[in-house]
Amino acid sequence: DVKVTQSSRYLVKRTGEKVFLECVQDMDHENMFWYRQDPGLGLRLIYFSYDVKMKEKGDIPEGYSVSREKKERFSLILESASTNQTSMYLCASSLFNLYNEQFFGPGTRLTVL
Amino acid sequence: GIQVEQSPPDLILQEGANSTLRCNFSDSVNNLQWFHQNPWGQLINLFYIPSGTKQNGRLSATTVATERYSLLYISSSQTTDSGVYFCAVASRGATNKLIFGTGTLLAVQP
Repeated sequence: DVKVTQSSRYLVKRTGEKVFLECVQDMDHENMFWYRQDPGLGLRLIYFSYDVKMKEKGDIPEGYSVSREKKERFSLILESASTNQTSMYLCASSLFNLYNEQFFGPGTRLTVL
Repeated sequence: GIQVEQSPPDLILQEGANSTLRCNFSDSVNNLQWFHQNPWGQLINLFYIPSGTKQNGRLSATTVATERYSLLYISSSQTTDSGVYFCAVASRGATNKLIFGTGTLLAVQP
C-alpha cells in the first residue's frame, strides 16, 4: 500500500512565524503535491513537484514556497504565516505517468493566531 | 478549465439503504478518482476509474467517458460510510492537475 505521511495532524502558530509542513511518501513516486482545503472553496492546488528540486506553481501559490531535496520528501513553507492561511493542508503523491493516480496523506490542520 | 459537478450535495440515509452519487465533468479526462474523506479529514482512495466499471465490496463505480459522467454506488450503507465523497478529474492536457468537485456529504443514521 502507498503510504503518505505528514509531520503533524494539528499545528498552532502565531502570525509572522515561519512554518514548515513536511510530507513523506514511501512508494518512490516522482510527483508530489500540496493542497489546501477550505469550507466552500474545496481543495485547491498550491504547488507540485515532478522531480527532485523541480517545482511548479498551482492555483494559489502566493504566500507559500516549497522544497524538494529528496525524492520521498516534499516540504511546504509559509515564510510569514498569516491568519488567512489557517486551513487544512493535504499532501499527495503519484507516479509520473499518464494516469497520475494520487494518494493522500492524513492532512495537517493549521491554525494561525 | 474543466468543470466538475457533484450531486446531490447532501444525502441522509438509514443504515442498510442504497445510494447513488453522481459526478459530471465538462471535458475529456485521463484520470477520474473517487475519494471518501473521513471525519478526521483524510482522503481515502476508493476508485481510479477514467472509464468502465469497478467494484470493491459494497461500493462500485461506473464512468461513461463519452457522456462525461461517473456514478458511485453504495449498497447496504453503514454508519462508517458517513463523510464527504469527492470526485476528482484531470484533463488530457493537464494530467498532473486534479480538479475536485464540491463533494457529497453523506450521513448514515443507525
